[in-house]
Amino acid sequence: AQSVTQLDSHVSVSEGTPVLLRCNYSSSYSPSLFWYVQHPNKGLQLLLKYTSAATLVKGINGFEAEFKKSETSFHLTKPSAHMSDAAEYFCVVRGYGSSNTGKLIFGQGTTLQVKP
Amino acid sequence: DVKVTQSSRYLVKRTGEKVFLECVQDMDHENMFWYRQDPGLGLRLIYFSYDVKMKEKGDIPEGYSVSREKKERFSLILESASTNQTSMYLCASSWIIGGANEKLFFGSGTQLSVL
Repeated sequence: AQSVTQLDSHVSVSEGTPVLLRCNYSSSYSPSLFWYVQHPNKGLQLLLKYTSAATLVKGINGFEAEFKKSETSFHLTKPSAHMSDAAEYFCVVRGYGSSNTGKLIFGQGTTLQVKP
Repeated sequence: DVKVTQSSRYLVKRTGEKVFLECVQDMDHENMFWYRQDPGLGLRLIYFSYDVKMKEKGDIPEGYSVSREKKERFSLILESASTNQTSMYLCASSWIIGGANEKLFFGSGTQLSVL
C-alpha cells in the first residue's frame, strides 16, 4: 500500500531564510507525488507534482521538490521564506491497487510558521 | 478558474440529526471527493465518485453516505450525526485521475460541530 510520512508537524523559519519540509513516501509502484498548500480559511491548492518526468519539480510561489528514489523522499524547499508562505503543507501520494486506485493519500501535514 | 463551492462554512448540529453537506463544482469535472480533515491526521478520504450515480468508499466511510444525482453536485450525508464526526469537511473535484494533468480543486471547507 502507498503512504506518505511528513517528518515534521511544525516548522518555524525566519523570513528570508530557506524552507525545508520533509516527506518520505512508500509505494510499490512508480509513485505520483504532490505537495498541496492550505492557507488559513482557504481550500487546498496544488503547489507541484511529480509524475516520473524530471526529478526536480518546480512549483508555484518559488517552491520546488526533488524526487529521490534511493531515499524514498520528496522534500519541499524554497530558498527564501516569505511571510505569505505561512500555511499548512501536505505531501500526497497517488494510490494504486485494488482498493486504492483513484485515491490521493495525504500526509499528516506540516505547519510552516514564518517569523519576521 | 474552477470553483468548488461548499454550501456552509460553519454548521452546528445535534447528536442524532441527519446532516447534509453540499458541494457544487462548475467545471464539468467527472470526479468528486469528500475528505475530512482532523489535526495531526491530515486528510482522510470518505467517499469519491467518478461519474453520476457512481460512488466508491474511501478509507473512512462508516457513518456516512453520498449522493451524486447530477454531475456538478456531490452531497455528503451523515445519517445520524455523532460527536466524533465533528471535523472539517472538504470537497474536491478533478477532471482526470492520474497523468500529468491531474489536479484536485478544493472547496473552502465546512467546519461541522456535533453537540
